[in-house]
Amino acid sequence: AQSVTQLGSHVSVSEGALVLLRCNYSSSVPPYLFWYVQYPNQGLQLLLKYTSAATLVKGINGFEAEFKKSETSFHLTKPSAHMSDAAEYFCAVSEFNTGGFKTIFGAGTRLFVKA
Amino acid sequence: GAGVSQSPSNKVTEKGKDVELRCDPISGHTALYWYRQSLGQGLEFLIYFQGNSAPDKSGLPSDRFSAERTGGSVSTLTIQRTQQEDSAVYLCASSPRSQGLSPYEQYFGPGTRLTVT
Repeated sequence: AQSVTQLGSHVSVSEGALVLLRCNYSSSVPPYLFWYVQYPNQGLQLLLKYTSAATLVKGINGFEAEFKKSETSFHLTKPSAHMSDAAEYFCAVSEFNTGGFKTIFGAGTRLFVKA
Repeated sequence: GAGVSQSPSNKVTEKGKDVELRCDPISGHTALYWYRQSLGQGLEFLIYFQGNSAPDKSGLPSDRFSAERTGGSVSTLTIQRTQQEDSAVYLCASSPRSQGLSPYEQYFGPGTRLTVT
């Protein structure tokens, strides 16, 4: 069965600094990986997804993530944080299951951006 | 087009009562998921429907929780004899049928905030 571990429930960075949110996964088959974002008082929306094409995936708002099979990781990065990036970020893994894809989410990492 | 809708948006109930939460997925989406998001917690998987296959109920926390999906569209999550620890935001998401072996993203509804007093 698949699982997802997000290291750090809270991450704080200064505006303009690098953002790095860590995600490690466990999957018995080649995984499909996602990052979702939840802005305050809003629903979840997709940031980016990895589906076995390029290992470096670019998403919205300048975020990207790199799939590293040897490290079973899918860390999310952004070169320069903006105040508007403050939100909760969820890593997720999907596996083919009973005719479709079952998705498991990590516990989430709340990103704080300091002025 | 319309997104995933959930009703009610807020529900306050007394401990021991039953509640029903409704999810209307995006038309044509074959997969439907229910999750629970408790204060300060992440997304907890509850149940997953895919087309006409038997649902994956592995995430339901107790036999007080059940869900059904009628006609492959609308889904209802029922919590019987609610407890205070059931207080959370219940999220529904839907996803289209995948082409080949590549999954589509999930589209989330706004959630139902359940408060058990």
